[in-house]
Amino acid sequence: QQKVQQSPESLIVPEGGMASLNCTSSDRNVDYFWWYRQHSGKSPKMLMSIFSNGEKEEGRFTVHLNKASLHTSLHIRDSQPSDSALYLCAAVTNSAGNKLTFGIGTRVLVRP
Amino acid sequence: EAAVTQSPRNKVAVTGGKVTLSCNQTNNHNNMYWYRQDTGHGLRLIHYSYGAGSTEKGDIPDGYKASRPSQENFSLILELATPSQTSVYFCASGDGGAGGNTLYFGEGSRLIVV
Repeated sequence: QQKVQQSPESLIVPEGGMASLNCTSSDRNVDYFWWYRQHSGKSPKMLMSIFSNGEKEEGRFTVHLNKASLHTSLHIRDSQPSDSALYLCAAVTNSAGNKLTFGIGTRVLVRP
Repeated sequence: EAAVTQSPRNKVAVTGGKVTLSCNQTNNHNNMYWYRQDTGHGLRLIHYSYGAGSTEKGDIPDGYKASRPSQENFSLILELATPSQTSVYFCASGDGGAGGNTLYFGEGSRLIVV
Protein backbone atom coordinates (compact mmCIF):
# COMPACT_ATOMS: atom_id res chain seq x y z
CA GLN A 1 0.00 0.00 0.00
CA GLN A 2 1.17 3.50 -0.85
CA LYS A 3 2.47 5.41 2.17
CA VAL A 4 1.26 8.60 0.54
CA GLN A 5 -2.34 8.48 -0.66
CA GLN A 6 -3.75 11.09 -3.02
CA SER A 7 -7.33 11.76 -4.00
CA PRO A 8 -9.08 12.07 -6.31
CA GLU A 9 -7.20 10.16 -8.99
CA SER A 10 -8.40 12.63 -11.58
CA LEU A 11 -10.32 15.87 -11.66
CA ILE A 12 -11.97 17.93 -14.38
CA VAL A 13 -12.35 21.62 -13.58
CA PRO A 14 -13.92 24.38 -15.69
CA GLU A 15 -11.66 27.28 -16.58
CA GLY A 16 -11.89 29.81 -13.79
CA GLY A 17 -13.03 27.19 -11.29
CA MET A 18 -11.49 25.82 -8.12
CA ALA A 19 -9.53 22.56 -7.99
CA SER A 20 -9.06 20.82 -4.64
CA LEU A 21 -6.58 17.99 -4.20
CA ASN A 22 -5.97 15.86 -1.11
CA CYS A 23 -3.00 13.98 0.25
CA THR A 24 -2.57 11.85 3.38
CA SER A 25 0.43 10.01 4.75
CA SER A 26 0.21 6.74 6.66
CA ASP A 27 3.65 7.34 8.21
CA ARG A 28 3.28 9.07 11.57
CA ASN A 29 6.91 10.15 11.43
CA VAL A 30 6.33 12.46 8.47
CA ASP A 31 7.81 15.91 9.03
CA TYR A 32 7.07 17.83 5.83
CA PHE A 33 4.94 17.76 2.71
CA TRP A 34 5.79 18.96 -0.77
CA TRP A 35 3.66 19.43 -3.88
CA TYR A 36 5.13 18.93 -7.34
CA ARG A 37 3.51 19.54 -10.72
CA GLN A 38 4.26 17.49 -13.81
CA HIS A 39 3.00 18.54 -17.22
CA SER A 40 2.48 15.80 -19.76
CA GLY A 41 5.77 14.49 -21.13
CA LYS A 42 7.80 16.69 -18.79
CA SER A 43 9.61 16.23 -15.52
CA PRO A 44 8.13 17.09 -12.11
CA LYS A 45 8.78 20.59 -10.81
CA MET A 46 8.37 21.77 -7.24
CA LEU A 47 5.22 23.80 -6.73
CA MET A 48 4.92 24.41 -3.01
CA SER A 49 6.05 23.06 0.31
CA ILE A 50 4.47 23.25 3.75
CA PHE A 51 6.10 22.47 7.03
CA SER A 52 3.80 23.91 9.70
CA ASN A 53 0.14 23.55 10.54
CA GLY A 54 -2.06 26.01 8.79
CA GLU A 55 -2.24 27.57 5.40
CA LYS A 56 0.22 28.91 2.86
CA GLU A 57 -0.75 30.92 -0.20
CA GLU A 58 1.28 31.66 -3.32
CA GLY A 59 -0.66 33.38 -6.04
CA ARG A 60 -3.59 31.19 -7.12
CA PHE A 61 -2.29 28.22 -5.12
CA THR A 62 -3.09 27.54 -1.47
CA VAL A 63 -1.81 24.65 0.61
CA HIS A 64 -3.26 23.50 3.91
CA LEU A 65 -1.63 21.19 6.43
CA ASN A 66 -3.02 19.35 9.43
CA LYS A 67 -0.08 17.56 11.00
CA ALA A 68 -2.23 15.71 13.54
CA SER A 69 -4.12 13.96 10.76
CA LEU A 70 -1.09 13.90 8.41
CA HIS A 71 -3.26 15.51 5.77
CA THR A 72 -2.43 18.22 3.28
CA SER A 73 -4.53 19.73 0.53
CA LEU A 74 -3.77 21.87 -2.48
CA HIS A 75 -6.31 24.33 -3.86
CA ILE A 76 -6.04 26.05 -7.21
CA ARG A 77 -8.37 28.98 -7.70
CA ASP A 78 -9.20 30.59 -11.04
CA SER A 79 -7.89 27.46 -12.76
CA GLN A 80 -6.28 27.94 -16.16
CA PRO A 81 -5.77 25.44 -19.00
CA SER A 82 -2.04 25.66 -18.25
CA ASP A 83 -2.79 24.16 -14.83
CA SER A 84 -3.70 20.88 -16.53
CA ALA A 85 -1.08 18.48 -15.20
CA LEU A 86 -0.30 15.64 -12.81
CA TYR A 87 -0.01 16.92 -9.24
CA LEU A 88 2.26 14.87 -7.01
CA CYS A 89 2.29 15.01 -3.24
CA ALA A 90 5.49 13.99 -1.44
CA ALA A 91 6.18 13.38 2.23
CA VAL A 92 9.52 13.72 3.95
CA THR A 93 10.65 11.96 7.09
CA ASN A 94 13.81 13.42 8.54
CA SER A 95 14.68 10.20 10.32
CA ALA A 96 14.65 8.43 6.95
CA GLY A 97 17.36 10.60 5.52
CA ASN A 98 15.19 13.35 4.07
CA LYS A 99 13.99 11.11 1.27
CA LEU A 100 10.85 12.17 -0.55
CA THR A 101 8.13 9.53 -0.85
CA PHE A 102 5.67 10.38 -3.59
CA GLY A 103 2.02 9.56 -4.03
CA ILE A 104 0.59 8.36 -7.34
CA GLY A 105 -0.72 11.80 -8.14
CA THR A 106 -3.93 13.55 -9.13
CA ARG A 107 -4.41 14.33 -12.80
CA VAL A 108 -6.12 17.69 -13.28
CA LEU A 109 -7.75 18.72 -16.54
CA VAL A 110 -8.94 22.29 -16.88
CA ARG A 111 -11.59 22.63 -19.59
CA PRO A 112 -11.81 25.97 -21.43
CA GLU B 1 17.49 27.40 -12.80
CA ALA B 2 19.15 24.22 -11.63
CA ALA B 3 20.34 21.95 -14.40
CA VAL B 4 20.11 18.17 -14.43
CA THR B 5 20.88 16.38 -17.67
CA GLN B 6 20.13 12.73 -18.39
CA SER B 7 21.36 10.46 -21.15
CA PRO B 8 20.22 8.67 -23.11
CA ARG B 9 16.75 10.16 -23.38
CA ASN B 10 15.43 7.06 -25.09
CA LYS B 11 16.80 3.54 -25.07
CA VAL B 12 15.67 0.16 -26.33
CA ALA B 13 17.54 -2.72 -24.71
CA VAL B 14 17.37 -6.48 -25.04
CA THR B 15 16.53 -8.75 -22.14
CA GLY B 16 19.70 -9.77 -20.33
CA GLY B 17 21.69 -6.85 -21.66
CA LYS B 18 23.44 -4.19 -19.62
CA VAL B 19 22.04 -0.68 -19.50
CA THR B 20 23.64 2.41 -18.01
CA LEU B 21 21.65 5.57 -17.48
CA SER B 22 23.74 8.66 -16.81
CA CYS B 23 22.95 11.84 -14.97
CA ASN B 24 24.92 15.07 -14.68
CA GLN B 25 24.07 18.05 -12.49
CA THR B 26 25.62 21.49 -12.48
CA ASN B 27 23.94 22.64 -9.25
CA ASN B 28 26.74 21.52 -6.93
CA HIS B 29 24.11 19.64 -4.90
CA ASN B 30 25.30 16.92 -2.56
CA ASN B 31 22.22 14.75 -2.93
CA MET B 32 21.23 12.89 -6.08
CA TYR B 33 18.40 10.45 -6.70
CA TRP B 34 17.15 7.94 -9.23
CA TYR B 35 13.37 7.39 -9.50
CA ARG B 36 11.26 5.40 -11.89
CA GLN B 37 7.74 6.42 -12.85
CA ASP B 38 5.10 3.93 -13.86
CA THR B 39 1.35 4.28 -14.27
CA GLY B 40 -0.38 3.24 -11.08
CA HIS B 41 2.79 3.46 -9.01
CA GLY B 42 3.91 7.03 -9.22
CA LEU B 43 7.53 7.96 -8.61
CA ARG B 44 9.48 5.29 -6.76
CA LEU B 45 12.97 5.75 -5.35
CA ILE B 46 15.58 3.28 -6.60
CA HIS B 47 18.93 4.59 -5.32
CA TYR B 48 20.24 7.84 -3.93
CA SER B 49 23.52 9.41 -2.92
CA TYR B 50 24.69 11.95 -0.37
CA GLY B 51 27.90 12.76 -2.19
CA ALA B 52 30.75 11.45 -4.30
CA GLY B 53 31.54 7.84 -3.49
CA SER B 54 28.30 7.18 -1.62
CA THR B 55 25.25 5.25 -2.75
CA GLU B 56 22.21 4.20 -0.73
CA LYS B 57 19.37 1.83 -1.49
CA GLY B 58 15.98 3.37 -2.00
CA ASP B 59 12.61 1.66 -1.83
CA ILE B 60 12.99 -0.59 -4.91
CA PRO B 61 16.73 -1.28 -5.42
CA ASP B 62 16.52 -4.89 -6.61
CA GLY B 63 17.97 -5.33 -10.10
CA TYR B 64 19.70 -1.95 -10.05
CA LYS B 65 23.12 -0.65 -9.07
CA ALA B 66 24.25 2.93 -8.73
CA SER B 67 27.54 4.76 -9.01
CA ARG B 68 28.50 8.26 -7.88
CA PRO B 69 32.05 8.88 -9.07
CA SER B 70 31.92 12.63 -8.62
CA GLN B 71 29.75 15.42 -7.24
CA GLU B 72 28.30 16.01 -10.70
CA ASN B 73 27.64 12.49 -11.96
CA PHE B 74 25.31 9.72 -10.81
CA SER B 75 24.67 6.60 -12.88
CA LEU B 76 22.05 3.89 -12.70
CA ILE B 77 23.14 0.47 -13.92
CA LEU B 78 20.95 -2.42 -14.96
CA GLU B 79 23.35 -5.37 -15.21
CA LEU B 80 20.76 -7.80 -16.59
CA ALA B 81 17.83 -5.84 -17.96
CA THR B 82 14.37 -7.40 -17.76
CA PRO B 83 11.07 -6.33 -19.39
CA SER B 84 9.74 -5.36 -15.93
CA GLN B 85 12.34 -2.58 -15.92
CA THR B 86 10.64 -0.89 -18.86
CA SER B 87 9.83 2.53 -17.45
CA VAL B 88 10.62 6.22 -17.44
CA TYR B 89 13.59 6.97 -15.19
CA PHE B 90 14.14 10.35 -13.58
CA CYS B 91 17.32 11.60 -12.02
CA ALA B 92 17.15 14.46 -9.54
CA SER B 93 19.49 16.53 -7.46
CA GLY B 94 18.58 18.05 -4.13
CA ASP B 95 19.87 20.95 -2.13
CA GLY B 96 19.49 19.13 1.16
CA GLY B 97 18.05 22.16 2.88
CA ALA B 98 16.01 22.20 6.06
CA GLY B 99 12.71 20.44 5.64
CA GLY B 100 14.08 18.03 3.16
CA ASN B 101 15.09 18.68 -0.36
CA THR B 102 13.76 20.73 -3.18
CA LEU B 103 14.37 18.24 -5.97
CA TYR B 104 15.42 19.35 -9.42
CA PHE B 105 14.59 16.68 -11.96
CA GLY B 106 16.13 15.85 -15.29
CA GLU B 107 13.89 15.40 -18.31
CA GLY B 108 13.72 11.65 -17.96
CA SER B 109 15.05 8.59 -19.76
CA ARG B 110 12.53 6.31 -21.41
CA LEU B 111 13.74 2.70 -21.34
CA ILE B 112 12.09 -0.14 -23.18
CA VAL B 113 13.39 -3.67 -22.56
CA VAL B 114 12.33 -6.18 -25.20
